[in-house]
Amino acid sequence: QVQLQESGPGLVKPSETLSLTCTVSGFSIRSSSHHWGWIRQSPGKGLEWIGSVYYSGTTNYNPSLRSRVTISVDTSKRQFSLRLRSVTAADTAVYYCARHNRRRESPGIPRYWGQGTLVIVSS
Amino acid sequence: DIQMTQSPSSLSASVGDRVTITCQASQDISNHLNWLQFKPGKAPKLLISDASDLEAGVPSRFSGSGSGTDFSFTINSLQPEDIATYYCQQDDNLPLTFGGGTKVDFK
Repeated sequence: QVQLQESGPGLVKPSETLSLTCTVSGFSIRSSSHHWGWIRQSPGKGLEWIGSVYYSGTTNYNPSLRSRVTISVDTSKRQFSLRLRSVTAADTAVYYCARHNRRRESPGIPRYWGQGTLVIVSS
Repeated sequence: DIQMTQSPSSLSASVGDRVTITCQASQDISNHLNWLQFKPGKAPKLLISDASDLEAGVPSRFSGSGSGTDFSFTINSLQPEDIATYYCQQDDNLPLTFGGGTKVDFK
């Protein structure tokens, strides 16, 4: 059974870096048929796809966040991570990790999700 | 970015009612449209992929249809456990984008 679990601080100060990790169980993170992604949900902007990483380290990012985001993978730990720099209150959201089917060379259907973790940006 | 326009934003229905949600894409996305169910405190659940393919284990009262730019999602005979917020989502082009959601509750 595929399971994804987000972890990381629930409170981040403005201008600092938000860091979250997603641990994958029940499935190999080295799969050639899947990408591993981050999605967030905030009251102001609804659901927003942040980006994804392939097991090889290849990434895709939402252009709206590209300048501030880094997504990486550690296959030995079965984890992938999100770093979002220079956060503001607008980055307050529930952050989800997800497993995407691979469509052509890009992330596709988000078939499995974690439960999400609330991150508040506040001093 | 492909804009996904979903309606209605909320609806109230009774147990046993048929509920329909629509989603319109700002450009042709073929059948690359998915429907997801969100409940508070739970992992979001994919119900339908590629516009009309029911995920394994999902009750047959859920269905989806459409292609190109116009899609619909139907719950035949609404059940108490179907109270949730539903989202359409396209995976035809990056960035992946979502509709604004439809909150379904009981009258």
